[in-house]
Amino acid sequence: QKEVEQNSGPLSVPEGAIASLNCTYSDRVSQSFFWYRQYSGKSPELIMSIYSNGDKEDGRFTAQLNKASQYVSLLIRDSQPSDSATYLCAVNGKVNYGGSQGNLIFGKGTKLSVKP
Amino acid sequence: DADVTQTPRNRITKTGKRIMLECSQTKGHDRMYWYRQDPGLGLQLIYYSFDVKDINKGEISDGYSVSRQAQAKFSLSLESAIPNQTALYFCATASGSSNEQFFGPGTRLTVL
Repeated sequence: QKEVEQNSGPLSVPEGAIASLNCTYSDRVSQSFFWYRQYSGKSPELIMSIYSNGDKEDGRFTAQLNKASQYVSLLIRDSQPSDSATYLCAVNGKVNYGGSQGNLIFGKGTKLSVKP
Repeated sequence: DADVTQTPRNRITKTGKRIMLECSQTKGHDRMYWYRQDPGLGLQLIYYSFDVKDINKGEISDGYSVSRQAQAKFSLSLESAIPNQTALYFCATASGSSNEQFFGPGTRLTVL
């Protein structure tokens, strides 16, 4: 059974600081990695996808992937109170669909609180 | 805008009642999913469908059934609702080889 592990938090950072969210996964052959943001009572929103080792930057967000160590992280620079949410890490599952792996395994999420 | 919609958004029902939750999408995606979310348990996959003629059980399919009426529509039914099915239910869609999933707004279901 594939697993995706996240620290549940809460992670509390001051406004303007860098928030660092971590995720580990159990299946070495996983190929696709995603970060979702979920505000309380709302649906998950995709914010980053990463497929290759290294860093991928999009605005204030940077996703980092290390397949050898089986971890993926999300850095949020210049954190804002509006970034306060639960962040879900997701990894592709084992079901094949046309050569891709068609479902995702989600971690339970890390709750981030950015204090003004 | 291409979107994923869910109806109803909120539903309160009684034990033993049959309930249907509906999902529609205008994204043109071929894959559709149903998840439930409980506090502290994360997202759990109920059923998924890769095209109109394909239906697959997820990790928690007991007590649920689905119907893929068209590429754009995927319905979830609770044949006889029970209180531990009280949860937030999400529909999601995906397409192509990227595996990026896009979620609908969710249905909050309460079973009394």
